[in-house]
Amino acid sequence: KNQVEQSPQSLIILEGKNCTLQCNYTVSPFSNLRWYKQDTGRGPVSLTIMTFSENTKSNGRYTATLDADTKQSSLHITASQLSDSASYICVVSPLNDYKLSFGAGTTVTVRA
Amino acid sequence: EAQVTQNPRYLITVTGKKLTVTCSQNMNHEYMSWYRQDPGLGLRQIYYSMNVEVTDKGDVPEGYKVSRKEKRNFPLILESPSPNQTSLYFCASTQGQGWPDTQYFGPGTRLTVL
Repeated sequence: KNQVEQSPQSLIILEGKNCTLQCNYTVSPFSNLRWYKQDTGRGPVSLTIMTFSENTKSNGRYTATLDADTKQSSLHITASQLSDSASYICVVSPLNDYKLSFGAGTTVTVRA
Repeated sequence: EAQVTQNPRYLITVTGKKLTVTCSQNMNHEYMSWYRQDPGLGLRQIYYSMNVEVTDKGDVPEGYKVSRKEKRNFPLILESPSPNQTSLYFCASTQGQGWPDTQYFGPGTRLTVL
């Protein structure tokens, strides 16, 4: 069973609008949680990395939040642009283990 | 420029014909890993390496081999490829070992096994 679940699977938004992606995980004990952006046909690129003690982290128009108690994270995209069209992947790193657990990703399509 | 390179980028082969996908990083990273990505399944780890001569299985290691003779290189070997290994493969490297360092991914290798 996948230990990282993302929702929605896909979404379409209009340029300039905001959106929020969700990530629920069961990995425990937990070290850090990452969000990646993956453009079609390219390798993922890191957006944010949060340790278990951090609640929020921003990278430009991307803001990630983390609630380690409920094992939930979200990625908020503000004032979306066409270039935000991509897949967004949530990745959880367990404590004292080198294996990362990947979510299946949320595909975001931004339309003009 | 810090980067992870993979070769080839595209490969079409036939069942049973041994192949190697190379991966190289120029950042002196200790930790490297291989992933495959399939529609609807996301990225799945095949093998990882914590340092030279230290490798371990990921979630889907069957049908694959790796080696880490040098710090910068981490080739993925398919001794006898099968059609179910048709996938998009990514190599990645990180300075730390599971610590929140940025993970750098290569551009990907799209493999088709006929």
